[in-house]
Amino acid sequence: GAGVSQSPSNKVTEKGKDVELRCDPISGHTALYWYRQSLGQGLEFLIYFQGNSAPDKSGLPSDRFSAERTGGSVSTLTIQRTQQEDSAVYLCASSLGGSLNTEAFFGQGTRLTVV
Amino acid sequence: KQEVTQIPAALSVPEGENLVLNCSFTDSAIYNLQWFRQDPGKGLTSLLLIQSSQREQTSGRLNASLDKSSGRSTLYIAASQPGDSATYLCAVRVQGAQKLVFGQGTRLTINP
Repeated sequence: GAGVSQSPSNKVTEKGKDVELRCDPISGHTALYWYRQSLGQGLEFLIYFQGNSAPDKSGLPSDRFSAERTGGSVSTLTIQRTQQEDSAVYLCASSLGGSLNTEAFFGQGTRLTVV
Repeated sequence: KQEVTQIPAALSVPEGENLVLNCSFTDSAIYNLQWFRQDPGKGLTSLLLIQSSQREQTSGRLNASLDKSSGRSTLYIAASQPGDSATYLCAVRVQGAQKLVFGQGTRLTINP
């Protein structure tokens, strides 16, 4: 695709429910990142994928958070038993990978509201 | 641990002025530094990427410099316009890690 695509753009869910957020990276980009941006806060790293593997999961805040990537393309971030503190904008980015000197491109984000 | 700081947190200037946004980082072992803009409620738009071996990059009215040894980068915006109003973020890609580490951003307002 022309850019990184995220869906849904907005999600309102009840506390305790599970949610899935989707990211479609730019075609051919092997590196994929998930970040979280809470209201008034900076960008918090969650997880990095190279291909289908996740060599860096150090930013996942708890075991309620998980992510997978299939076919070296689409990634899904799953939050189980959502809590109000999970409310944030979840941003996905991709880059060519292979070389660490490549530019990262971000999607428009998914705004998650837990009520 | 890499820390990135952006000063000022907010800046308001009249249209037409030239301005400089600052970014500093604590660990000079980086692969590159990237500047982004973020409009309210939107994702991040990449503005400029500077490799660790480069000193500056230019795109239109934007010029970004990098002094890796002192841990500093600046984003220069010439002849500012109201459409430049946004939050500007800098991020470094740290050697030995894949992730980008972000600053808190500078919220820029250009007044007509």
